[in-house]
Amino acid sequence: KAGVTQTPRYLIKTRGQQVTLSCSPISGHRSVSWYQQTPGQGLQFLFEYFSETQRNKGNFPGRFSGRQFSNSRSEMNVSTLELGDSALYLCASSLRPGSNTEAFFGQGTRLTVV
Amino acid sequence: AQSVTQPDIHITVSEGASLELRCNYSYGATPYLFWYVQSPGQGLQLLLKYFSGDTLVQGIKGFEAEFKRSQSSFNLRKPSVHWSDAAEYFCAVGPLGSGNTGKLIFGQGTTLQVKP
Repeated sequence: KAGVTQTPRYLIKTRGQQVTLSCSPISGHRSVSWYQQTPGQGLQFLFEYFSETQRNKGNFPGRFSGRQFSNSRSEMNVSTLELGDSALYLCASSLRPGSNTEAFFGQGTRLTVV
Repeated sequence: AQSVTQPDIHITVSEGASLELRCNYSYGATPYLFWYVQSPGQGLQLLLKYFSGDTLVQGIKGFEAEFKRSQSSFNLRKPSVHWSDAAEYFCAVGPLGSGNTGKLIFGQGTTLQVKP
């Protein structure tokens, strides 16, 4: 059974650009969450999607957005990149929403903004 | 505000020694509790979780954790550490109820170094 797949694994962008990250959940999983991990702030929740609907959003500016497709794959987009957006972006999938179900994490996308 | 505290940023233990990683949480009620491990360049792997019932929870790789309501703690333990256990460990809490979202609140992490 394939795990959570995040692409690309590494990305270098310039300030002001935008970026799109992709996450393919485990087959059969319909809930996808995104987290940002930085040395200073640790792991912070970005958003959660289920059945193509955003169920929850973390405290991030509107430059951070996401969506989920009918096949449960999810993308997140960051516009007008800032140096502080450099981070490891982790996607987690689970069978359904709710934290009483195990979340499986991908290996992450390492974004570097220069 | 909901928060998770891992008081130890870095811990070094000798291989074969016992290990305890501390985790305290601040929450309105007993939340769901988790421990994750992250190896360099990797995502997070769930070690164990507590939802209800027996307060001593067994996980993978020989880890266990004990929930203590009176102390709002969920400490992770292992009787004998192996060199491959060197990694970063995260404690996390999640809101109660399947109707709630899956948002997890993570502690800052504890880096475990294992001496040969």
